[in-house]
Amino acid sequence: DAGITQSPRHKVTETGTPVTLRCHQTENHRYMYWYRQDPGHGLRLIHYSYGVKDTDKGEVSDGYSVSRSKTEDFLLTLESATSSQTSVYFCAISSGTGANEQFFGPGTRLTVL
Amino acid sequence: SQQGEEDPQALSIQEGENATMNCSYKTSINNLQWYRQNSGRGLVHLILIRSNEREKHSGRLRVTLDTSKKSSSLLITASRAADTASYFCATEPLRGANSKLTFGKGITLSVRP
Repeated sequence: DAGITQSPRHKVTETGTPVTLRCHQTENHRYMYWYRQDPGHGLRLIHYSYGVKDTDKGEVSDGYSVSRSKTEDFLLTLESATSSQTSVYFCAISSGTGANEQFFGPGTRLTVL
Repeated sequence: SQQGEEDPQALSIQEGENATMNCSYKTSINNLQWYRQNSGRGLVHLILIRSNEREKHSGRLRVTLDTSKKSSSLLITASRAADTASYFCATEPLRGANSKLTFGKGITLSVRP
């Protein structure tokens, strides 16, 4: 997990409240990704970024928005959290060159009551 | 829908035995990657095989790719208790943009001491 951190690591919130998760990298990688991991579904892409202010939707983007104002930070926002958004959220980064392997953060466990 | 589908879903073996895990996918790919996830942690990249490669080795890991059958296998030789984890295959599409990967649902490997 070196070079990529997520905050908070755990969060419990109420339905209807806004939530922002932060991903921070020190690798200067171009690409950043947000995934959610749920039992029976594996890892699913929510949103990704291919540069500062350049973002696009993934497979399960409804109810989520993202922002990337700096290379090192990628924010995931749940405007109005729902119980179906209870999940473990992972941020990943990749350089976009060569092998294109992704490096993952430690994850954020979010519970929406 | 998931691009990569791993098989079996769960595997339990004795320490010292070999573990074989399979992955099938649907569309043409640029490369296929395998990741490991220890309980409560983020995914860690293990090995990547490009579409023009048939076999690749890294330590106790051996990956094969059959593009005609759209399948890959990951072999872990001489397994150890520390290999206990979930394993995911991920594919990068041939004509996809922005270095996106699609992950399978994962295989749970248990290595008994």
